Amino acid sequence: AQRVTQPEKLLSVFKGAPVELKCNYSYSGSPELFWYVQYSRQRLQLLLRHISRESIKGFTADLNKGETSFHLKKPFAQEEDSAMYYCALRKAGANNLFFGTGTRLTVIP
Amino acid sequence: DVKVTQSSRYLVKRTGEKVFLECVQDMDHENMFWYRQDPGLGLRLIYFSYDVKMKEKGDIPEGYSVSREKKERFSLILESASTNQTSMYLCASRVMGLAGGSNEQFFGPGTRLTVL
Repeated sequence: AQRVTQPEKLLSVFKGAPVELKCNYSYSGSPELFWYVQYSRQRLQLLLRHISRESIKGFTADLNKGETSFHLKKPFAQEEDSAMYYCALRKAGANNLFFGTGTRLTVIP
Repeated sequence: DVKVTQSSRYLVKRTGEKVFLECVQDMDHENMFWYRQDPGLGLRLIYFSYDVKMKEKGDIPEGYSVSREKKERFSLILESASTNQTSMYLCASRVMGLAGGSNEQFFGPGTRLTVL
């Protein structure tokens, strides 16, 4: 069975500091991994997906199959990054996503 | 721009009532989903539908049913609401791409349901 683990429920960093939100997964096949973000009073939205290998709002995430991780990183946190972040996995051939429990990031001015 | 709308932002119901949560998307997406979002538990899939009149159970279908009579509309039904169904309910839709394709799920604003 698949599983997505986000070990930190809460994470606080100072503005300008690096930030890393951890995500580990368990799945025997080839997964697709995503990060979704929910800003205050806004709907949940896609931040980035591993196959795109893109940087969005300064965030990057690399799929490490050896460590089964997909950590989200940003070198310099901004106040507007404060939000709830969810890691999600889609199994090969599936339509639905499995979400982690989320990490609430607070960037302290 | 994809738009997913949900009929209510806030809803208060009494235990035992039948509750309907409606979701409409305007992008002709085949896939639609219902999740509940709870602190510390993240998003958990209740049901999803990959086409009209088609549905599949998610991880926590007990106490819920769904209806998809038209492609744009996906309804979540609580046959007899209970206090443990107090939660934020999120609807999402996604285009049916290639199997396993990375087509994004678009979410609605959510309905916060309180069952007294």
